[in-house]
Amino acid sequence: EAQVTQNPRYLITVTGKKLTVTCSQNMNHEYMSWYRQDPGLGLRQIYYSMNVEVTDKGDVPEGYKVSRKEKRNFPLILESPSPNQTSLYFCASRPQTGYASPLHFGNGTRLTVT
Amino acid sequence: GESVGLHLPTLSVQEGDNSIINCAYSNSASDYFIWYKQESGKGPQFIIDIRSNMDKRQGQRVTVLLNKTVKHLSLQIAATQPGDSAVYFCAEKAGNQFYFGTGTSLTVIP
Repeated sequence: EAQVTQNPRYLITVTGKKLTVTCSQNMNHEYMSWYRQDPGLGLRQIYYSMNVEVTDKGDVPEGYKVSRKEKRNFPLILESPSPNQTSLYFCASRPQTGYASPLHFGNGTRLTVT
Repeated sequence: GESVGLHLPTLSVQEGDNSIINCAYSNSASDYFIWYKQESGKGPQFIIDIRSNMDKRQGQRVTVLLNKTVKHLSLQIAATQPGDSAVYFCAEKAGNQFYFGTGTSLTVIP
């Protein structure tokens, strides 16, 4: 089944403790991205990647890192999480060929930073 | 940043009626638009999309209308069913980035 898989689904951590949220897709998509979803704000892009070893900042990149060493994986790294990073995070992917192809989303990771 | 918004945060409709959800976007350079459905505890699910060189596209029970003159997008759901209850939001693509609306919560009354 074609899908985007995020892990973990739920994560509670403390301020300053480094964490990684994994994202993997099995559709051979070039484009991958991370979003956070907060009440009243909709989805906001954190980082995106057009292909392996190519990453770019989205609208809210502060406090996050990403890497794209393999086409299928795009982990999100919080080096020193803070409470304002408590949010619902989504990973998404799409093929890069052509401009009219939708994003496919994972089921989300709910992160709480205390 | 981009501004993609919805006119109504909530919408309640009777089962069997048609639903219309609206969206305003701000970037006239956006070339592709998508509607997503999000159910509780799940990721956004693709419903229908439309390119900027079109003004209407129909799917199964859903229709998307695009009015580039006023930068307006709408989603029409025919014969709304209880399973359609969810949050719906629009997205626009500008360059390599997507921008999303805040969503409309649709409740279908049996």
